[in-house]
Amino acid sequence: ETGVTQSPTHLIKTRGQQVTLRCSSQSGHNTVSWYQQALGQGPQFIFQYYREEENGRGNFPPRFSGLQFPNYSSELNVNALELDDSALYLCASSSGRGGIYGYTFGSGTRLTVV
Amino acid sequence: AQTVTQSQPEMSVQEAETVTLSCTYDTSENNYYLFWYKQPPSRQMILVIRQEAYKQQNATENRFSVNFQKAAKSFSLKISDSQLGDTAMYFCAFSNFGNEKLTFGTGTRLTIIP
Repeated sequence: ETGVTQSPTHLIKTRGQQVTLRCSSQSGHNTVSWYQQALGQGPQFIFQYYREEENGRGNFPPRFSGLQFPNYSSELNVNALELDDSALYLCASSSGRGGIYGYTFGSGTRLTVV
Repeated sequence: AQTVTQSQPEMSVQEAETVTLSCTYDTSENNYYLFWYKQPPSRQMILVIRQEAYKQQNATENRFSVNFQKAAKSFSLKISDSQLGDTAMYFCAFSNFGNEKLTFGTGTRLTIIP
């Protein structure tokens, strides 16, 4: 079975630009969550999608948005990038019970905003 | 709001020795789940072990075991017969029943010395 795949692995953007990060869920998983991990910190929950609907959101502004597609892959979009958006963005998938049984994580996208 | 605290930013131990990583959490809920995740330099979060709060028995997975003290809100991870491949960041995480969001601590960097 394939795991969670994220692309790109690294990205450099300029302040004010927009960025799209992509995630392919593990086969059979219908739920995807996105986390932001700043340097030296633990991951922070951004939002979760279940069957193409947003199913929970953390304390992030509306310029962080997402999509989940019928094949359960997902995108994270960030508009009007700020320097503090520089972080590792992790995608995690589960079969709908990740909060109970745990998630499968990808290796993340390292975003640098300059 | 739930919080997770890991008070040991860094630890090191000789190969084959036993090491214990500490984690405390704060919640007013009675039904919840606790996790330890490992993040090696590859950046992918890997689930090490999980514990259901309503179970008295401490979880064990091969060389990894936990000491779950519900009244003290403590959830420590013991790694026995430590191996070089155990070198990684270790994150304690929490989720409430019915909420798929994971709340992470700030992590402990563990180094296994040959």
